[in-house]
Amino acid sequence: GNSVTQMEGPVTLSEEAFLTINCTYTATGYPSLFWYVQYPGEGLQLLLKATKADDKGSNKGFEATYRKETTSFHLEKGSVQVSDSAVYFCALSSNNAGNMLTFGGGTRLMVKP
Amino acid sequence: DTGVSQDPRHKITKRGQNVTFRCDPISEHNRLYWYRQTLGQGPEFLTYFQNEAQLEKSRLLSDRFSAERPKGSFSTLEIQRTEQGDSAMYLCASSLRSRQGMGGYTFGSGTRLTVV
Repeated sequence: GNSVTQMEGPVTLSEEAFLTINCTYTATGYPSLFWYVQYPGEGLQLLLKATKADDKGSNKGFEATYRKETTSFHLEKGSVQVSDSAVYFCALSSNNAGNMLTFGGGTRLMVKP
Repeated sequence: DTGVSQDPRHKITKRGQNVTFRCDPISEHNRLYWYRQTLGQGPEFLTYFQNEAQLEKSRLLSDRFSAERPKGSFSTLEIQRTEQGDSAMYLCASSLRSRQGMGGYTFGSGTRLTVV
């Protein structure tokens, strides 16, 4: 079946530091890959997506590249802000699973001023 | 577009009681999903509807759980004889079938259930 593994948190960084959150996946077929963000007290929001190999998703300074050869979709940001503090979820959906989302366990990011 | 609404936001219930949650999706979305999220974990799929038809149910959805979407609009999730292990955040999401593969899900803020 499909599965997503992401690095455990919390990840604690100082403002303006470089961020990487690792995500690897197992899936049959050709899944679409996503990063969702959950701010305190709010629902999940789509941060970025990539639907085929070598695609790069980007939004709000965050980027992730769909790497089929390493089955990875690592999230990066060059300079984090305090407002980026949240929980980040890597997820995939595939046609052979009814396009339901399969999520990783989430990584909490804490950015200190 | 007012987004996906879930009611109530919080529910505290005694073990053994029944609870029902409601989800109002975005009106033009034909697919509706329920997920469960326990503390420190990612959301886990429970079930989904296309219009009023329930198309798939997870093994996580025991016989104490039932979901309906009677007119293809709002949905309810009922848990009978609640157990402490049912304590979690219950998330609803909706999408257009044609937009799913592009990440076209919209999530509600969830209902947090605490069973005491």
